[in-house]
Amino acid sequence: DIHMTQSPSTLSGSVGDRVTITCRASQSINTWLAWYQQKPGKAPNLLIYDASTLESGVPSRFSGSGSGTEFTLTISSLQPDDFATYYCQHYNSYSPTFGQGTKLEIK
Amino acid sequence: EVHLLESGGGFVQPGGSLRLSCSASGFTFSKYAMSWVRQAPGKGLEWVSSISSSSGSTYYADSVKGRFTISRDNSKKTQYLQMNSLRAEDTAVYFCAKDLNDVMISFGLDHWGQGTPVTVSS
Repeated sequence: DIHMTQSPSTLSGSVGDRVTITCRASQSINTWLAWYQQKPGKAPNLLIYDASTLESGVPSRFSGSGSGTEFTLTISSLQPDDFATYYCQHYNSYSPTFGQGTKLEIK
Repeated sequence: EVHLLESGGGFVQPGGSLRLSCSASGFTFSKYAMSWVRQAPGKGLEWVSSISSSSGSTYYADSVKGRFTISRDNSKKTQYLQMNSLRAEDTAVYFCAKDLNDVMISFGLDHWGQGTPVTVSS
């Protein structure tokens, strides 16, 4: 199975900050990568797919980049609603896997 | 608007069985693959199983292979997860999710239900 590693595991930021979360795959996954946001007690919400395509309705302050084994999710200007846990997921094979998550906390 | 509603979760003893259901609305159910993803208490997301739009292909995580069976009824717009030989480590919230693509399965998930909790304990 392809292993996904996110960094950092926890990230502190303030409203207005630019933050970046990294996701690394144990082998190349081309651009078959999605990013999800999850708030406590809620279902995950798709933000980005195919590494860089913004899902409909997601604010443009979210962006994704990367290919192969290294990917990033960037929030250009943190808003109060963005404090949550973020997961990457590859879908390059018949056994998709998620990263362990990055918790974005208020500084 | 896409809506997915899970049901069937609950409390079960080790070795027992449960069948989860996921009722779908707001999209052409028969055109999309569907998946189940679980989240143990305080832990991350784990893909469990997926099924193609026509039920012709099914996929399972190694952790559930041989114990869980995914199925769907397109006439009822519902997918199912039959869980047998349950273990304590199967305790989790189980989410139903819709595939991104309507042509072939991608395993990318663009809509999720709110989840149904499963607790396996003696």
